[in-house]
Amino acid sequence: QQQVKQSPQSLIVQKGGISIINCAYENTAFDYFPWYQQFPGKGPALLIAIRPDVSEKKEGRFTISFNKSAKQFSLHIMDSQPGDSATYFCAARRSSGGSNYKLTFGKGTLLTVNP
Amino acid sequence: GAVVSQHPSRVICKSGTSVKIECRSLDFQATTMFWYRQFPKQSLMLMATSNEGSKATYEQGVEKDKFLINHASLTLSTLTVTSAHPEDSSFYICSATAASGGARPQETQYFGPGTRLLVL
Repeated sequence: QQQVKQSPQSLIVQKGGISIINCAYENTAFDYFPWYQQFPGKGPALLIAIRPDVSEKKEGRFTISFNKSAKQFSLHIMDSQPGDSATYFCAARRSSGGSNYKLTFGKGTLLTVNP
Repeated sequence: GAVVSQHPSRVICKSGTSVKIECRSLDFQATTMFWYRQFPKQSLMLMATSNEGSKATYEQGVEKDKFLINHASLTLSTLTVTSAHPEDSSFYICSATAASGGARPQETQYFGPGTRLLVL
């Protein structure tokens, strides 16, 4: 059972455009939703994260939109740049119940930003 | 930001040998470390969760006798792939969460740069 569903699998955007990646989760106990960026041959790096008590969080060109009732959250990359080309993973985690802060990852989205 | 290192970054070994991968938190104490493996163009698959001073908790389907994990200190965890075979070839990534009471948010997982293992 896949607890975090991510789409699209791949995305091609022109430079300056908006990249949008969506995730949906099933476990209502999840209370922390990070996005990670991974370049080929490297480990994932935390981009931005949100908790369900807010509907939106913005950091520079990156924005997370969160819809608690729909159990969905999305990453928006404004003014996308070729350097943003990478694989993006959404994740979710619950803080309680002895979870050890274990993350559940989506399958990833390969973003290509054309110059 | 918080730094997690891994050593080696790449290793090639013969089938049947054992390989040890180190994961260190360089500027914070990590009560919990995680080990993942990642196949090309796929997501991260959690192998085990390691708490300092206690036995690792393995995910379903991961052989604990094959993937030995030791978390001897608050800054070091090791993964040993015993009797490696070609099917163990993969990208192994560790991550760490900070100990409570420190400067780092406890909830954030910081990832290492990964170790590419190739078993011939």
